[in-house]
Amino acid sequence: DVKVTQSSRYLVKRTGEKVFLECVQDMDHENMFWYRQDPGLGLRLIYFSYDVKMKEKGDIPEGYSVSREKKERFSLILESASTNQTSMYLCASSFRAGRSYEQYFGPGTRLTVT
Amino acid sequence: AQSVAQPEDQVNVAEGNPLTVKCTYSVSGNPYLFWYVQYPNRGLQFLLKYITGDNLVKGSYGFEAEFNKSQTSFHLKKPSALVSDSALYFCAVRDNFNKFYFGSGTKLNVKP
Repeated sequence: DVKVTQSSRYLVKRTGEKVFLECVQDMDHENMFWYRQDPGLGLRLIYFSYDVKMKEKGDIPEGYSVSREKKERFSLILESASTNQTSMYLCASSFRAGRSYEQYFGPGTRLTVT
Repeated sequence: AQSVAQPEDQVNVAEGNPLTVKCTYSVSGNPYLFWYVQYPNRGLQFLLKYITGDNLVKGSYGFEAEFNKSQTSFHLKKPSALVSDSALYFCAVRDNFNKFYFGSGTKLNVKP
């Protein structure tokens, strides 16, 4: 079974703090993704990585950065947390096309910034 | 540009009745289409996919979806709804660059 794990289910941080969200997958997937999910807006892609040390901006990268030093791990960093970053953060992974096409998701991290 | 539309924010159905959750898409090239389900405070769970072949695809928990190329639709269906099917459903499309695009989600309410 594919497993995608996220470091925290719930997190409360203060405005201005640096926040790290970590994601680990155990299926040797090349692609990893960070989304945020807000009511009525669906899933919005923050960053995407298709290989170690490679990253691409998604639709809403402002205020976020990412790190992928190892294939199985993809970290999302909020450089200086703000209240408008309060959200559910979802990590996902997938193979490159041609092997298996679907994404697999972690359980999510609900981040509250006060 | 790739996009996915789920025209209904919410679908209400009685237990035992058939259900349909609608999805239309816009994608260049061949579409890779997916349905996911999300239960409260959980991540998304893969239900089914269309890559190629038969237009009717079957997935988990008795769900199926019909790919219609002329109408660019990929509606999710189930012949007989269960209360436990109540959840948030997302349609998604994958482009040739390995990126996924999601609809805004449809909340399915199945009433006893």
